[in-house]
Amino acid sequence: GAVVSQHPSWVICKSGTSVKIECRSLDFQATTMFWYRQFPKQSLMLMATSNEGSKATYEQGVEKDKFLINHASLTLSTLTVTSAHPEDSSFYICSASEVGEKLFFGSGTQLSVL
Amino acid sequence: QKEVEQNSGPLSVPEGAIASLNCTYSDRGSQSFFWYRQYSGKSPELIMSIYSNGDKEDGRFTAQLNKASQYVSLLIRDSQPSDSATYLCAVYPGGGSTLGRLYFGRGTQLTVWP
Repeated sequence: GAVVSQHPSWVICKSGTSVKIECRSLDFQATTMFWYRQFPKQSLMLMATSNEGSKATYEQGVEKDKFLINHASLTLSTLTVTSAHPEDSSFYICSASEVGEKLFFGSGTQLSVL
Repeated sequence: QKEVEQNSGPLSVPEGAIASLNCTYSDRGSQSFFWYRQYSGKSPELIMSIYSNGDKEDGRFTAQLNKASQYVSLLIRDSQPSDSATYLCAVYPGGGSTLGRLYFGRGTQLTVWP
């Protein structure tokens, strides 16, 4: 199956700092990638749809100035959490679609903001 | 609002038994349905997809879809302790929605005890 690589796996940062998370499709080109957030014992909540070469589409209630998404190539999308605060602590997961609607996920990034 | 509902469980079954997981969705026009397995702290893994009414079998897993009732289920036969995980139901609404843009239920936590 398709491989989606996500880095880092976990990160601890101080409140007010910014954190960048990378998502790469290793064996296919992904014109569209998706960013999800998952709080403990909750489902995946779609944050934004990342489109190569254009602006990301954010879901209602997600602050686009806080969660910066860049999709500069067909294999790489990045999510930057700016001025992170403890309430941003969560499990962030990227995904990409290879064939039809089948979605393959990255390994996730556990963000802890102190 | 596209809702995907799952019984959060926990569902506990003995080894060798059949585990039955259920999911309902609100958008009658939804086209594709997926079951993902997620181990604690890990990203979801696709285990089944189903697109038309009826049953689809893959090894010990059987997905069942009833679009009239807006209901999809997953049966796990001969359950093993390694099947213990959270199972996420995901729905692709279609209707022009970006391919790969899925709506997830909260997941059902399954425990298989030896």
